[in-house]
Amino acid sequence: NAGVMQNPRHLVRRRGQEARLRCSPMKGHSHVYWYRQLPEEGLKFMVYLQKENIIDESGMPKERFSAEFPKEGPSILRIQQVVRGDSAAYFCASSPDDRQPQHFGDGTRLSIL
Amino acid sequence: GQQVMQIPQYQHVQEGEDFTTYCNSSTTLSNIQWYKQRPGGHPVFLIQLVKSGEVKKQKRLTFQFGEAKKNSSLHITATQTTDVGTYFCAVTTSGTYKYIFGTGTRLKVLA
Repeated sequence: NAGVMQNPRHLVRRRGQEARLRCSPMKGHSHVYWYRQLPEEGLKFMVYLQKENIIDESGMPKERFSAEFPKEGPSILRIQQVVRGDSAAYFCASSPDDRQPQHFGDGTRLSIL
Repeated sequence: GQQVMQIPQYQHVQEGEDFTTYCNSSTTLSNIQWYKQRPGGHPVFLIQLVKSGEVKKQKRLTFQFGEAKKNSSLHITATQTTDVGTYFCAVTTSGTYKYIFGTGTRLKVLA
C-alpha cells in the first residue's frame, strides 16, 4: 500500500510565476490536509479537504492560494504570482477520517528566486 | 485563537539520559497526537491520546494526557542517537476538524 505521494519533491519558481503542488493520498483515505513549514519551525495548518469539498481553509491566505481535491486525481495546492516569502516546505497528509492519525508525504520544497 | 506551546524548544542530552517534552494548550482538548520528524524528513505519527489521564507506552517512550485535557507529555527513557529529531504534539478541540501543531522540541543526543 503506497504512502502519501507528493510531487514534485523540489520546485523552483521565479517571482510572479505559478506553483502547483500535487498530493495523492493513501489508498482509502478521503481526508487531505496541507501544511506549510519554514526551516526550524513547526507545521502551520493551511487547509483541510475531503473529496470535492473544502472543509476548513482558515489557515490559507485568501489571495493567491487555492486548493482542490477533485473526485478523480490528486489534491492540488496552487500558489499564483509567487513571492520570495512563499519559499517553504509544503507537506500534505491524509487520513481515513478526521480523528485518525495523519500520514504525511515527503513534502515539496518550494524555492522562489 | 488557540495556542499550543511546547517546552523546551531545544534539548541536548547525553546518550543514555532521559528526555521529556511538554505540550500545553490554552483550551481543553478533544485529543492529542504526537509526531516525530527527523532532520530533512516528514512527520511520522507516534501515538494518539483521547482520555483524561491516559498513559500509553511504546518501548522507551511514555505518553501522558493531563487530567484536565489541557496538557500532555512525552518521556523517553535512556535516549539513543536514533531518537534525534523534532517531536511535535498536534491537538484538536471538540467541534473542529483541524489539528494545530505545537512549536516542537528539537532533541539532539550526544554519543
